Amino acid sequence: QQQVKQSPQSLIVQKGGISIINCAYENTAFDYFPWYQQFPGKGPALLIAIRPDVSEKKEGRFTISFNKSAKQFSLHIMDSQPGDSATYFCAASVSNFGNEKLTFGTGTRLTIIP
Amino acid sequence: SQTIHQWPATLVQPVGSPLSLECTVEGTSNPNLYWYRQAAGRGLQLLFYSVGIGQISSEVPQNLSASRPQDRQFILSSKKLLLSDSGFYLCAWKQEYQETQYFGPGTRLLVL
Repeated sequence: QQQVKQSPQSLIVQKGGISIINCAYENTAFDYFPWYQQFPGKGPALLIAIRPDVSEKKEGRFTISFNKSAKQFSLHIMDSQPGDSATYFCAASVSNFGNEKLTFGTGTRLTIIP
Repeated sequence: SQTIHQWPATLVQPVGSPLSLECTVEGTSNPNLYWYRQAAGRGLQLLFYSVGIGQISSEVPQNLSASRPQDRQFILSSKKLLLSDSGFYLCAWKQEYQETQYFGPGTRLLVL
């Protein structure tokens, strides 16, 4: 019940295209859903995050879409650029009086080709 | 501003040798601290977390241990490394009552 399932495992998108990564969860207590971006040899960095009280959040070319009833959320990268090539992780956590723990998806390796 | 440091950056150790990885956070107080392991091409597995000095919670039974001797210092240790301990070890911190975790640069461990 604590799992977050992420797909696809790898994704190749042409420059300028839309990259879409999907995640699904079972635990309805999850109330915070961040996406992290990780470049090779580096630690993950927070990209964008959403709470279940909104269905969409946009920051620049990055958008999270959230479907509470389906227990799914996705990351959309518009106008994908070679610099977006990285591994992306979705995650989820439950508010727990300051002791929140993130449950991560297995990651998606995104490659943007010219 | 807050920064998180991990060292060493890379480590090659023989099977059966001890391990000590260190993580320190600057610019904040009483952070929650986390140790993750990332196997090659895999996701992040939470190993330990700490909400305060001397308070350690283990998520996965294994031959690793963690300690928090100071407020902003988190140490990952092992008495005898196994081949399966190889991986990328990440330390993270977050402010209490906030959700965002901030990751360090990681330590790549290769056990031979």
